[in-house]
Amino acid sequence: QLQLQESGPGLVKPSETLSLTCTVSGGSISSSSYYWGWIRQPPGKGLEWIGSIYYSGSTYYNPSLKSRVTISVDTSKNQFSLKLSSVTAADTAVYYCARHSQGGIMDVWGKGTTVTVSS
Amino acid sequence: DIQMTQSPSSLSASVGDRVTITCQASQDISNYLNWYQQKPGKAPKLLIYDASNLETGVPSRFSGSGSGTDFTFTISSLQPEDIATYYCQQYDNLPPWTFGPGTKVDIK
Repeated sequence: QLQLQESGPGLVKPSETLSLTCTVSGGSISSSSYYWGWIRQPPGKGLEWIGSIYYSGSTYYNPSLKSRVTISVDTSKNQFSLKLSSVTAADTAVYYCARHSQGGIMDVWGKGTTVTVSS
Repeated sequence: DIQMTQSPSSLSASVGDRVTITCQASQDISNYLNWYQQKPGKAPKLLIYDASNLETGVPSRFSGSGSGTDFTFTISSLQPEDIATYYCQQYDNLPPWTFGPGTKVDIK
């Protein structure tokens, strides 16, 4: 059974870079059928897709965050990662990783990790 | 970007009631529409994909319909475990993929 698990610091200072990793278990991140994405949810608010990556390294990002986002993949570790630079309090959220089809059907999610931006 | 709206934003219904949520896209998205259920403190769970296809293992009381810009999500007989917030999500063509603002469902 495929499982995803987010990990990373729960507290990040303003203007610094948020870094999270998603570890995939029970399956290969190199599956040709799927992409791997990051989605976030500010406290009490809705869901926002951040960006996604294919195992080959192809990426696409939400234009609203593109200038600050980098997503990378490490197939040897079955992991993919998110970096979000120059964070502000508005980046405080629960961050989820998820598997999705090429078309964007997000069928497997991690449990989420809370990241707070505060000095 | 394609904007998604949902109505109502919240509803209260009795156990056994039929519950209907609507989702509207700002432009034609064919049937590229998913529905997710999110319980408090949990990750979203895919219920319906391609507007009307039930994800494996999801109870048959959940259903979806629609195409183009107007979509409907229905719980045929509300159960206590269905208390959650429900989101629609479009995935037409290229990203960004966007979610609706959510509909919170409570038991009356």
